[in-house]
Amino acid sequence: DTAVSQTPKYLVTQMGNDKSIKCEQNLGHDTMYWYKQDSKKFLKIMFSYNNKELIINETVPNRFSPKSPDKAHLNLHINSLELGDSAVYFCAGASGLGAQETQYFGPGTRLLVL
Amino acid sequence: SQQGEEDPQALSIQEGENATMNCSYKTSINNLQWYRQNSGRGLVHLILIRSNEREKHSGRLRVTLDTSKKSSSLLITASRAADTASYFCATVQVTSGSRLTFGEGTQLTVNP
Repeated sequence: DTAVSQTPKYLVTQMGNDKSIKCEQNLGHDTMYWYKQDSKKFLKIMFSYNNKELIINETVPNRFSPKSPDKAHLNLHINSLELGDSAVYFCAGASGLGAQETQYFGPGTRLLVL
Repeated sequence: SQQGEEDPQALSIQEGENATMNCSYKTSINNLQWYRQNSGRGLVHLILIRSNEREKHSGRLRVTLDTSKKSSSLLITASRAADTASYFCATVQVTSGSRLTFGEGTQLTVNP
């Protein structure tokens, strides 16, 4: 069973469109994250939720809006897509807020904006 | 600038050789973690070393941490072609709760 799953795996879309990426974890974790990995493989945190509450919100354009309907899901909605949004987006989960927690990553969603 | 910087950026070795990757960071940390990313896949956690630990082993992996030099190294012994991947260090800073800050990664290629 996949611990952290994301859909879709690939997403190709036109500039200006609105799209959503879904993430689900079946580990019972309290904390979930969204990361963006650029073409140089640099990973940067975007958001973190703990028990459906937003706890980390990096300097991300407000076109990006995370939504956590329940503890097992953290979706990412992106409005008015731009070319620079092309990247791989990873969802991750961790069992708590503690500094010692390992994060479990999903397989990634490869977004290409044309 | 980024918290973690890794070197080398790329490393190519023969199967059976050892591979050493280094990571340096700037601010005080709670722990440092190493992750592997195979091409086109997500990240997989390898090892976590706490700030009060100096060395940790897991199978063929050995991680060291020198908090006085703010650096860590990952050693993979007796490498295999299947070890070919990108390796990232990530730190949890004292002031950042559970936030992971990643380095730029080292691309390891193990030639059969």
